[in-house]
Amino acid sequence: DAGVTQSPTHLIKTRGQQVTLRCSPKSGHDTVSWYQQALGQGPQFIFQYYEEEERQRGNFPDRFSGHQFPNYSSELNVNALLLGDSALYLCASSEGQSNQPQHFGDGTRLSIL
Amino acid sequence: SQELEQSPQSLIVQEGKNLTINCTSSKTLYGLYWYKQKYGEGLIFLMMLQKGGEEKSHEKITAKLDEKKQQSSLHITASQPSHAGIYLCGARPSGTYKYIFGTGTRLKVLA
Repeated sequence: DAGVTQSPTHLIKTRGQQVTLRCSPKSGHDTVSWYQQALGQGPQFIFQYYEEEERQRGNFPDRFSGHQFPNYSSELNVNALLLGDSALYLCASSEGQSNQPQHFGDGTRLSIL
Repeated sequence: SQELEQSPQSLIVQEGKNLTINCTSSKTLYGLYWYKQKYGEGLIFLMMLQKGGEEKSHEKITAKLDEKKQQSSLHITASQPSHAGIYLCGARPSGTYKYIFGTGTRLKVLA
């Protein structure tokens, strides 16, 4: 039973570029959340997708956008990259209507030069 | 808004020693989750606590949620090098779908 998978594992971009990160949820999960984790900090909630719609959003600018596909997989897009966007981006999946814990992928390490 | 504060920020212990990590919330918790993270990797779910006074154990790790549901502790008995990593407490504030996390406790176990 595959867990949450994310791709790519590492990415290097320059300021002003855009990036797309991908996530496949754990089997049986229909909800995907994205988090940004800066070095030495806890994960910060970006947004959550359920039934192909953004259900909740954290305090992130519109440069951060996402999408969920009918198979529940998800993408995170970031436009006009800034140096401060360098971080580990984590995807987590869960069952939409339960209090069961989220399961996390290993993340994508994004470095902005 | 609700926040989670963890202490200590870092911990270095000798193998075999016991240790405790604390997580304090500014508001009542309606579910407290403990995760472990190896450096630069994803979060691994450890335990979930929902009821005041609840206590759960898995192998040598025990987690408790106090009666007022504003503080949780994670206790490791007879620590091993495999316990090293970053321990994070997380919660889902009432009325939201997002998780909030503490800043983590970095544990190093010396062999």
